[in-house]
Amino acid sequence: AQSVTQLDSQVPVFEEAPVELRCNYSSSVSVYLFWYVQYPNQGLQLLLKYLSGSTLVKGINGFEAEFNKSQTSFHLRKPSVHISDTAEYFCAVSVGRGADGLTFGKGTHLIIQP
Amino acid sequence: EPEVTQTPSHQVTQMGQEVILRCVPISNHLYFYWYRQILGQKVEFLVSFYNNEISEKSEIFDDQFSVERPDGSNFTLKIRSTKLEDSAMYFCASSRRGDEQFFGPGTRLTVL
Repeated sequence: AQSVTQLDSQVPVFEEAPVELRCNYSSSVSVYLFWYVQYPNQGLQLLLKYLSGSTLVKGINGFEAEFNKSQTSFHLRKPSVHISDTAEYFCAVSVGRGADGLTFGKGTHLIIQP
Repeated sequence: EPEVTQTPSHQVTQMGQEVILRCVPISNHLYFYWYRQILGQKVEFLVSFYNNEISEKSEIFDDQFSVERPDGSNFTLKIRSTKLEDSAMYFCASSRRGDEQFFGPGTRLTVL
């Protein structure tokens, strides 16, 4: 079975500063990786995904993530955050396509300070 | 832009009652999922559905749960006899090819 670890439950960052949200996974087989964002009282929105190919993946709202197989990591980065980025961010993995369910991490609450 | 919708947004029920949570997936999607998120905890996979049958289910998805696609548009999750610990946010998701999953806004279930 696979698992996802998001070590930081909260990350406070000043507006316009860079941010990195960490995600590590554990799996005995190849995985597909995702980052979702959840704004207050809303559902989960896909930020970006890694299925194959280039290990640097760009997503919406200026976010990007890098898949590092040797370190089993998929950290999310943004060079300059905005107040509107305040939200809960979830890393998730799947071991294949089709009907596989996603395994989520516990989430990281990104708090943007003015 | 097409989106997954869920009704109701909030459901309050008494312990032991049956509830049905409804979802309308994106119209050309073929894979359907249910997840739950207990307050303060992570999102957990419950079940996936493809080609009119359950494809995968987690150990959470026991005999009190069932899913159905009664027509060409709806996808439902039924909880037969609710328990206090079923209180959670329930998310429906759909996917066209089984890779990228699109989530609905969720139904908050409160069991009293």
